[in-house]
Amino acid sequence: AQRVTQPEKLLSVFKGAPVELKCNYSYSGSPELFWYVQYSRQRLQLLLRHISRESIKGFTADLNKGETSFHLKKPFAQEEDSAMYYCALSGREGAQKLVFGQGTRLTINP
Amino acid sequence: NAGVMQNPRHLVRRRGQEARLRCSPMKGHSHVYWYRQLPEEGLKFMVYLQKENIIDESGMPKERFSAEFPKEGPSILRIQQVVRGDSAAYFCASGGSLNSYNEQFFGPGTRLTVL
Repeated sequence: AQRVTQPEKLLSVFKGAPVELKCNYSYSGSPELFWYVQYSRQRLQLLLRHISRESIKGFTADLNKGETSFHLKKPFAQEEDSAMYYCALSGREGAQKLVFGQGTRLTINP
Repeated sequence: NAGVMQNPRHLVRRRGQEARLRCSPMKGHSHVYWYRQLPEEGLKFMVYLQKENIIDESGMPKERFSAEFPKEGPSILRIQQVVRGDSAAYFCASGGSLNSYNEQFFGPGTRLTVL
């Protein structure tokens, strides 16, 4: 079965503190993993994908196949990082549907 | 490029009425996906279409729901005889461009309220 689990519905940290949003997945095969973000009053947008191996807005995420995890990290949180974050997966072959986690609402306190 | 367009943004229907949700993909995109988000839940896949073809409808309820993506015009998600449990946010995404084949771009969503 394809499943994405984000164990934290809410996460609150202080500005300047490190942030880690957890994501675990279940998939038979080699999935492609994504993090999507939704800022207040904006549409859902792609933050990063594991095959790109990029750092976007200071965020990174490493795919750990042994632990089936794709946690999102940032060393120093900023107030503008407050948003809803969704972890998602899809198959690798061709254009495929996304399977989303429930989302984590991140709040950065000043 | 205006991005993925959805309309209406808000739709109110009484039980038993029909709801039609429209989605115009980004220019150059040949794939459309529909997702539903119930309150306090993540987005759940419903259906994936290419022009005039349904590719994957594994997430569509068996009754009352249908989707199309005609050769001309937007994709339509149609819900017949709506019930209170259909109240949700419905998101459309498009993709399939040559330079970013597997990436999906989301619209702002349509919030359906069934009274």
